[in-house]
Amino acid sequence: GQQVMQIPQYQHVQEGEDFTTYCNSSTTLSNIQWYKQRPGGHPVFLIQLVKSGEVKKQKRLTFQFGEAKKNSSLHITATQTTDVGTYFCAEGGNNRKLIWGLGTSLGVNP
Amino acid sequence: DTEVTQTPKHLVMGMTNKKSLKCEQHMGHRAMYWYKQKAKKPPELMFVYSYEKLSINESVPSRFSPECPNSSLLNLHLHALQPEDSALYLCASSRSAGQPRHNEQFFGPGTRLTVL
Repeated sequence: GQQVMQIPQYQHVQEGEDFTTYCNSSTTLSNIQWYKQRPGGHPVFLIQLVKSGEVKKQKRLTFQFGEAKKNSSLHITATQTTDVGTYFCAEGGNNRKLIWGLGTSLGVNP
Repeated sequence: DTEVTQTPKHLVMGMTNKKSLKCEQHMGHRAMYWYKQKAKKPPELMFVYSYEKLSINESVPSRFSPECPNSSLLNLHLHALQPEDSALYLCASSRSAGQPRHNEQFFGPGTRLTVL
């Protein structure tokens, strides 16, 4: 079945360093959604990318969708302790299911 | 109101108990979801309701029984659960369930279930 691969699985950074998580698929993605889940919390929708080559920014977060719509990335500039959590990508296709990546767990050392 | 609420927050039950999880949203969303999430894993889809009708059942054991009394409410009835069913149960809603541009999902805080 369709899979969305996400790397890395874990990353620890020093506060102020940058962080990037990547999602890849062997097939073309309809769209890609990004969610953040804080420790002990629930997934929170961050953004959806639909168009080839799309780039969207939310303050220190930059989201990209590849030209071939087979990969996506989330980049955080100058991480803060409030960025701690697990970041999931998910493909939302024409059916009712999201295909989730396994998530990247981000730790930030103050 | 952009919130999905879930009750209870925590639930401990024995294998012979019957309990129910409740979920509510007032965003006018027409799709509602139940997910199960184990630690350090992505949410695992259980059921999808679209326009108050069950549209997806991901081969969930019959000891889990969903119910959608109206477009704002979603219940999950639990009976004769097993210890391996212990997990975080998340409810979510989206504007619709069939159009990719409208299927971003809004999650409730979840019910942390422990089965003894």
